[in-house]
Amino acid sequence: RKEVEQDPGPFNVPEGATVAFNCTYSNSASQSFFWYRQDCRKEPKLLMSVYSSGNEDGRFTAQLNRASQYISLLIRDSKLSDSATYLCVVRGSARQLTFGSGTQLTVLP
Amino acid sequence: NAGVTQTPKFQVLKTGQSMTLQCAQDMNHEYMSWYRQDPGMGLRLIHYSVGAGITDQGEVPNGYNVSRSTTEDFPLRLLSAAPSQTSVYFCASGQGTEAFFGQGTRLTVV
Repeated sequence: RKEVEQDPGPFNVPEGATVAFNCTYSNSASQSFFWYRQDCRKEPKLLMSVYSSGNEDGRFTAQLNRASQYISLLIRDSKLSDSATYLCVVRGSARQLTFGSGTQLTVLP
Repeated sequence: NAGVTQTPKFQVLKTGQSMTLQCAQDMNHEYMSWYRQDPGMGLRLIHYSVGAGITDQGEVPNGYNVSRSTTEDFPLRLLSAAPSQTSVYFCASGQGTEAFFGQGTRLTVV
């Protein structure tokens, strides 16, 4: 079983739609959680950290459920520029990052 | 501000050749790491370093060596290239919560 699992998609949604991505992790000792964004043939970049209380950054909302070992990302009012692959990332006590394989999103005009 | 610089961006090697992928960061980060990214598998950790003179193995270290003689540089060496090492390689550095990635090296081994 992979340490971090994501639905690979692809998700094809119209502009303005709301879309949600889910992620599960297997190591209950994981300490920090993130969503990274990766554009086609580019390097990953941090989108947002994920906190137990939930957090929001504009149109993006991230949630963490430690009991279920589940992380989510909600994108509201999708824009064409949101098209990318979204990577769920978990960090353990040794500082290494473990990446999910990514969920591909295409926002259609 | 350069951030993390990787070279080369593209490379084609023949099986059995050796080469070094270069990575340099100008942010004075202690932690640096190398990943490879293959279709459907996400990024997998090859080697990492928590500071100059200290390196350790990640998930997929076989066939690769690293060294960390300075805080800035963290080169990755392929000892004898194999077709299974065809991949996109990313170097990253970080201090705290965020990892900063280089632009990647697309390596093809024929």
